[in-house]
Amino acid sequence: GAVVSQHPSWVICKSGTSVKIECRSLDFQATTMFWYRQFPKQSLMLMATSNEGSKATYEQGVEKDKFLINHASLTLSTLTVTSAHPEDSSFYICSAYQDGYTFGSGTRLTVV
Amino acid sequence: GDSVTQMEGPVTLSEEACLTINCTYTATGYPSLFWYVQYPGEGLQLLLKATKADDKGSNKGFEATYRKETTSFHLEKGSVQVSDSAVYFCALKNFGNEKLTFGTGTRLTIIP
Repeated sequence: GAVVSQHPSWVICKSGTSVKIECRSLDFQATTMFWYRQFPKQSLMLMATSNEGSKATYEQGVEKDKFLINHASLTLSTLTVTSAHPEDSSFYICSAYQDGYTFGSGTRLTVV
Repeated sequence: GDSVTQMEGPVTLSEEACLTINCTYTATGYPSLFWYVQYPGEGLQLLLKATKADDKGSNKGFEATYRKETTSFHLEKGSVQVSDSAVYFCALKNFGNEKLTFGTGTRLTIIP
């Protein structure tokens, strides 16, 4: 079945630094990928929709300059959290769409 | 806009108890409906889905029936196991829109 690999699974970084999270579709091409942020009480917030070769579409309230999304190929989308702060600490999940949604295993980001 | 209202948890049950997690939706047209499961520290996995009214999705002993008249898609299982402990998300996808709309999630804990 379809597999999406998300890397890293966890990362700790210092406040002010940037962190890149990768999302790869391993055995299929995904023209559309989604990035979610999951808050402590488990609710999932869609951050942006990423389309290969074009700019990402961000949801209202998501800072596009802070959360940079690149979808350079049909199998890879990246989310870069720039100038991270402790309030950016969260669980980030990507999803790729091709005849259905396949989710990555998530990235736990802790900013200290 | 589209929305999903899901039974708030947490839900704690004894092993072999019956489970129902309520889910209702608001959407224009005829959306597809999903239940996703998230095990601790992992991303989401599709549990079951239904694409039209009266369809029943089933997997791993879980079932949900697409009820258009009550706009509901309740998740049920006759006898839960400790391994069913997870967070369950109800979601919908409307025609012509690639986005998934999620409910807030229900944390289920099964005690031996």
